[in-house]
Amino acid sequence: GENVEQHPSTLSVQEGDSAVIKCTYSDSASNYFPWYKQELGKRPQLIIDIRSNVGEKKDQRIAVTLNKTAKHFSLHITETQPEDSAVYFCAAEGTDKLIFGTGTRLQVFP
Amino acid sequence: EAGVAQSPRYKIIEKRQSVAFWCNPISGHATLYWYQQILGQGPKLLIQFQNNGVVDDSQLPKDRFSAERLKGVDSTLKIQPAKLEDSAVYLCASSHREGTEAFFGQGTRLTVV
Repeated sequence: GENVEQHPSTLSVQEGDSAVIKCTYSDSASNYFPWYKQELGKRPQLIIDIRSNVGEKKDQRIAVTLNKTAKHFSLHITETQPEDSAVYFCAAEGTDKLIFGTGTRLQVFP
Repeated sequence: EAGVAQSPRYKIIEKRQSVAFWCNPISGHATLYWYQQILGQGPKLLIQFQNNGVVDDSQLPKDRFSAERLKGVDSTLKIQPAKLEDSAVYLCASSHREGTEAFFGQGTRLTVV
């Protein structure tokens, strides 16, 4: 079946450094790729998304890139801050399903 | 706008008992999702509705889990009988249509003892 792989599972960075999280998907029909942030004990919340007709999208310190040929997409966070610490999930929506990756726990140390 | 409402927030039951969860999506959202999130893992899609029709339930353990979305609005997810491995947070989400932002409810934390 369709799946989404996400790496790394944990990521520790110093405040001010950049963080990159990578995902691959299997369903070639996937055309919508959201990223969610989940803080401890809270619900996942959308931080950025990208569609298959776009290769890159940026929103302040957050950017997402998509390579449809390789079925890869990545989240880039620049100038990380302690409040960026959370679990991040990528997801892919294709044939009638929104499938999530396994998550990356990001820790930003002051 | 009001968010996705779920109840109850917490539930503790013994194995082999039954349990039901309720979800009220954002008004006007046609797509409704139920996810199971086991501690430390990503949300696993159980079932996805488009209005009151099921578009995917391939990951739903149909021998014990059932879900319905009457009139294309509220939805209930039932487990009968529950197993220890069903302990998880059950998240409901809704979106205006496929390919748009999915908004999540607070979730129901189920503990099976």
